[in-house]
Amino acid sequence: DADVTQTPRNRITKTGKRIMLECSQTKGHDRMYWYRQDPGLGLRLIYYSFDVKDINKGEISDGYSVSRQAQAKFSLSLESAIPNQTALYFCATSVAANTGELFFGEGSRLTVL
Amino acid sequence: KQEVTQIPAALSVPEGENLVLNCSFTDSAIYNLQWFRQDPGKGLTSLLLIQSSQREQTSGRLNASLDKSSGRSTLYIAASQPGDSATYLCAVTNTGFQKLVFGTGTRLLVSP
Repeated sequence: DADVTQTPRNRITKTGKRIMLECSQTKGHDRMYWYRQDPGLGLRLIYYSFDVKDINKGEISDGYSVSRQAQAKFSLSLESAIPNQTALYFCATSVAANTGELFFGEGSRLTVL
Repeated sequence: KQEVTQIPAALSVPEGENLVLNCSFTDSAIYNLQWFRQDPGKGLTSLLLIQSSQREQTSGRLNASLDKSSGRSTLYIAASQPGDSATYLCAVTNTGFQKLVFGTGTRLLVSP
């Protein structure tokens, strides 16, 4: 089983619908991140959490919200999806220690029609 | 604001060639730099991580160097193979923020 698991892997939805992407990890890491990837724009940080009680906005948080339900779970919500939120979404984890190495899930491809 | 640039955007080489991928960043106050590999439709796999105090890291046929003062890193791939075909991304973590800023990647194709 993957250390960082994202569900769903693929989702097609319509404009205005509420969508939740879930991420769970078995690595025991404190830090979790949500990124989105768009062609030509690279990966951009949406939200990050350094522990269960710590939630921070990234560079493109508008239109998104997150919930850190437990150390191992970090979910991303789109309250009212719009077409320009069509992208590949990645969850990642890291330890709080010095190396800062990130470990990524397989990604969730979201299409908003 | 940290910006990360990767050149070239795409590279096509015959099998067996040695090649270099480039990454540059605008703010030299970094904590570390990571190189990732991404296969189509897949997540990112960490290849090498270089701490700010280090000059290079090696793993098998891969060697990554870091020149923090000039804001540059290179990923050297020796004796390339078709299985190396993927997109390679570099990312830097700024000191004090502990989150990565990514380049847009170099798409590598190694032909048999």
